Amino acid sequence: GNSVTQMEGPVTLSEEAFLTINCTYTATGYPSLFWYVQYPGEGLQLLLKATKADDKGSNKGFEATYRKETTSFHLEKGSVQVSDSAVYFCALGSGGYNKLIFGAGTRLAVHP
Amino acid sequence: DAGVTQSPTHLIKTRGQQVTLRCSPKSGHDTVSWYQQALGQGPQFIFQYYEEEERQRGNFPDRFSGHQFPNYSSELNVNALLLGDSALYLCASSFSALGGNTEAFFGQGTRLTVV
Repeated sequence: GNSVTQMEGPVTLSEEAFLTINCTYTATGYPSLFWYVQYPGEGLQLLLKATKADDKGSNKGFEATYRKETTSFHLEKGSVQVSDSAVYFCALGSGGYNKLIFGAGTRLAVHP
Repeated sequence: DAGVTQSPTHLIKTRGQQVTLRCSPKSGHDTVSWYQQALGQGPQFIFQYYEEEERQRGNFPDRFSGHQFPNYSSELNVNALLLGDSALYLCASSFSALGGNTEAFFGQGTRLTVV
């Protein structure tokens, strides 16, 4: 069945460092791919998405490219801030109803 | 626009009891999905409601049931609570267009603790 695997955390970085969080997926067909962010005590917020191969999603300095050949959707940011500290979830949307399948999440901690 | 709202925010129940969680979707949305997020894990799909019927279901026992009302709001019911049901329950709303559902917006969740 469909599944998502993302790198384990926590990831600890200094402010202005480069961020990569790896995400790979297994799916039949052509799913949409998403990154969601969860700040402490809050629900999930959509960070970015890509709906087909080679699409690049971007938002707030974060980027991810839908790579069908490597079944990956890695999240990157060139310069992280303390305010980016949160848990990041990679997810795929399957079928027309867009049922979401999530990875286990990666906690990011950014220090000044 | 209030976005997706869930109530209550926190709840403590005893094993064997029943619980009802509530969700109001974002304005303009007609589809509600429920997810269970255990501590330290990603959300798991429970089921999705559209036109007042369960349209899709994840791998959860029949103790988990739901309802959608004509105003699109929804309830999640869990019977015979187990300690393992302790989790954050997230509601997500979307719009069911002809080409597929639009992007899902999540509420802040209900934290259920079973003791």
